[in-house]
Amino acid sequence: DAGVIQSPRHEVTEMGQEVTLRCKPISGHDSLFWYRQTMMRGLELLIYFNNNVPIDDSGMPEDRFSAKMPNASFSTLKIQPSEPRDSAVYFCASSRLAGAPNTGELFFGEGSRLTVL
Amino acid sequence: AQRVTQPEKLLSVFKGAPVELKCNYSYSGSPELFWYVQYSRQRLQLLLRHISRESIKGFTADLNKGETSFHLKKPFAQEEDSAMYYCALSESSYKLIFGSGTRLLVRP
Repeated sequence: DAGVIQSPRHEVTEMGQEVTLRCKPISGHDSLFWYRQTMMRGLELLIYFNNNVPIDDSGMPEDRFSAKMPNASFSTLKIQPSEPRDSAVYFCASSRLAGAPNTGELFFGEGSRLTVL
Repeated sequence: AQRVTQPEKLLSVFKGAPVELKCNYSYSGSPELFWYVQYSRQRLQLLLRHISRESIKGFTADLNKGETSFHLKKPFAQEEDSAMYYCALSESSYKLIFGSGTRLLVRP
């Protein structure tokens, strides 16, 4: 298994543009997470899906951010319109929460580094 | 509110020296704590969980409920231990709260 796959790895865009980040979780995992990493705030949970359903989106900063999981193998995080303060590394992670010896362990992607000019 | 505090942004030690990465938490229930590590150009990955009471790559971490701490320790640091280390608290069955991270630099 290639692990959690994220794209793009790097994105540079101008303020006001729409940004879409993509994630393919590990096959068989029932949970997917989007995290944002910044120097100031470290790793913050943005949203959590279980069985493709958003369970907790309390970490989504504002309405400019939205996330979808149309099926078990794909999720997107969209920022529209983007702002310079959105510059960060966005991580996707997946896990298998129910009945597995690794319950609680998150498997992270390599991250998408976003720079908004 | 649940919080995880890692007071040191950077910890620099010489090879062979003992290392202790500090982690303090605030949590009203019975905590489940983890250490994650991110080596250069690699993914963030689980290093160890307190419930397993395991030693991974020579690292151990003991949960001290009285001091609300979960410090990561290794008696003799190696250069390959240089990485970013995150302490994390499981707030629920799914939600991990991460500390801000400590960069460990092991000098030759």
